[in-house]
Amino acid sequence: SQQGEEDPQALSIQEGENATMNCSYKTSINNLQWYRQNSGRGLVHLILIRSNEREKHSGRLRVTLDTSKKSSSLLITASRAADTASYFCATATTGGFKTIFGAGTRLFVKA
Amino acid sequence: SQTIHQWPATLVQPVGSPLSLECTVEGTSNPNLYWYRQAAGRGLQLLFYSVGIGQISSEVPQNLSASRPQDRQFILSSKKLLLSDSGFYLCAWSRFQGPSYEQYFGPGTRLTVT
Repeated sequence: SQQGEEDPQALSIQEGENATMNCSYKTSINNLQWYRQNSGRGLVHLILIRSNEREKHSGRLRVTLDTSKKSSSLLITASRAADTASYFCATATTGGFKTIFGAGTRLFVKA
Repeated sequence: SQTIHQWPATLVQPVGSPLSLECTVEGTSNPNLYWYRQAAGRGLQLLFYSVGIGQISSEVPQNLSASRPQDRQFILSSKKLLLSDSGFYLCAWSRFQGPSYEQYFGPGTRLTVT
């Protein structure tokens, strides 16, 4: 099965609200990444958090990592209609160079 | 800066026909290269990855194959397509060495097998 599993599968919010997506994984990781995919396009890397980090920020994005619970969350603050996309977490396992992607959370931001 | 190209953007092929999708990377050397397939509304399934010319690792046994004839060229092929091969195919690259594992994706190829 997939290493990363996102929750919820779909999320619909109003513009200006915050959006929180969660990711759980099963094995030891080197790092965890979040990607965005606009409909019909390739994925775009958003942020990478290493296994020894607990929180990371990038603009309106905030990522947390709890290795004891094998989980991560992505928070998008003050969402915009342009944030409408699918968001995927991906894990790079310790000692490996492959990245395993979850099934994604589909975010819809209503203007 | 680095760029990654994929072509074609869309493709409609009959069952049993051959397939060749091409991916090239510019602006970097010795990248790790990946082929993924994405079913509609789903996550990414890793098909093949390559750490160097002529080195291909397959993740899922199927009627697809991959080749890396040049350092920055990655080709996905099939001799006879199946209906189940329909999907969105994405090529990606990552740096060969270093602690960073970010992957950079191409625009994708939408394949419909009829």
